Amino acid sequence: GENVEQHPSTLSVQEGDSAVIKCTYSDSASNYFPWYKQELGKGPQLIIDIRSNVGEKKDQRIAVTLNKTAKHFSLHITETQPEDSAVYFCAASINAGNMLTFGGGTRLMVKP
Amino acid sequence: SQTIHQWPATLVQPVGSPLSLECTVEGTSNPNLYWYRQAAGRGLQLLFYSVGIGQISSEVPQNLSASRPQDRQFILSSKKLLLSDSGFYLCAVTYRVLQRYTFGSGTRLTVV
Repeated sequence: GENVEQHPSTLSVQEGDSAVIKCTYSDSASNYFPWYKQELGKGPQLIIDIRSNVGEKKDQRIAVTLNKTAKHFSLHITETQPEDSAVYFCAASINAGNMLTFGGGTRLMVKP
Repeated sequence: SQTIHQWPATLVQPVGSPLSLECTVEGTSNPNLYWYRQAAGRGLQLLFYSVGIGQISSEVPQNLSASRPQDRQFILSSKKLLLSDSGFYLCAVTYRVLQRYTFGSGTRLTVV
């Protein structure tokens, strides 16, 4: 089955700096890659997703890139703010309706 | 759109007591439903998933069970709780066409 590895497990940055979280997946058939943000005591919330027919997607300060050949995808957060502090999860799935396989999560801390 | 209701938000139960957590969703019929557990500071562990009424798949052997008595209702149960059952329990829903997971707000279970 699919295996998703996520790095780093913790990331500390200064406010205003950029943050990058990387994930690799094992199954080349995976075609959907979402990112979730989980704030303390809450359920994960989808922040951005990308499909395999697109190499990059942006939404304001957040961007995701996908390299299908290398089977890795990354989350980029620019101009980080304290409210970006949370745990971020990447995931991958094969075909519509299949369950997601999640990475282990990254705890991002943005220091003011 | 998908709306997911999960309750209770917090629960403190003694060892050996029973458990019942409920999740209901609004929106399109015939969703895929999932139960995840998250230990403190850890990733998302898939416990059960269901693709239809009465159809339950278990991902890990444990002290818990799940049921789906109605199309949009998913219940997590235990006959006798263990200390190791403590954690943050999340219900999630997805629809076969959309692939996007929506998570509930979670239940913080503490077994004492």
